[in-house]
Amino acid sequence: DGGITQSPKYLFRKEGQNVTLSCEQNLNHDAMYWYRQDPGQGLRLIYYSQIVNDFQKGDIAEGYSVSREKKESFPLTVTSAQKNPTAFYLCASRNRGERGYTFGSGTRLTVV
Amino acid sequence: DAKTTQPPSMDCAEGRAANLPCNHSTISGNEYVYWYRQIHSQGPQYIIHGLKNNETNEMASLIITEDRKSSTLILPHATLRDTAVYYCIVRVRGNKLVFGAGTILRVKS
Repeated sequence: DGGITQSPKYLFRKEGQNVTLSCEQNLNHDAMYWYRQDPGQGLRLIYYSQIVNDFQKGDIAEGYSVSREKKESFPLTVTSAQKNPTAFYLCASRNRGERGYTFGSGTRLTVV
Repeated sequence: DAKTTQPPSMDCAEGRAANLPCNHSTISGNEYVYWYRQIHSQGPQYIIHGLKNNETNEMASLIITEDRKSSTLILPHATLRDTAVYYCIVRVRGNKLVFGAGTILRVKS
């Protein structure tokens, strides 16, 4: 079945360490997105990519980095510069002309 | 900033229609309205979207006012499994979805 896979589902890291969250899609979608969600709040856009080898900052890009070397993959790195990294991270993808955005099941990152 | 405002929570009796309102008074002419829902700790699920005409699919109906400043999502026969956070979202330039805080819908038996 086609879809978006985020791994791992739960991730624990020590403060000051960089960590990379995986997002893979086999939907052949052009655009991919990373969102962050804090408790009781909506999703906020971190980065997005409309095509391979190109990406743009979202509303809260500071402390994060991404790459888009392959169409199906859009990994997100949470760097030590991110002041409050503990959150629920969601990846999404979309193809032009399709009805909506498909979301992954998320990665819950806890920094201790 | 979110371009939509929704009530923080609503209750609905099982089997009855759930009508979820949304205000988007600053929406631009080419911006779509999307509805998603999210069950705790899962990814948002697409429900429906529209531009200016009313829309219906197997899950819900979307009613958009003529001036496009507000819309209503209708779940015709709510079940307990419809309990979730419902997000009314505007898709802005760059194909970005801008989320607000959403409405917590509680369906009660």
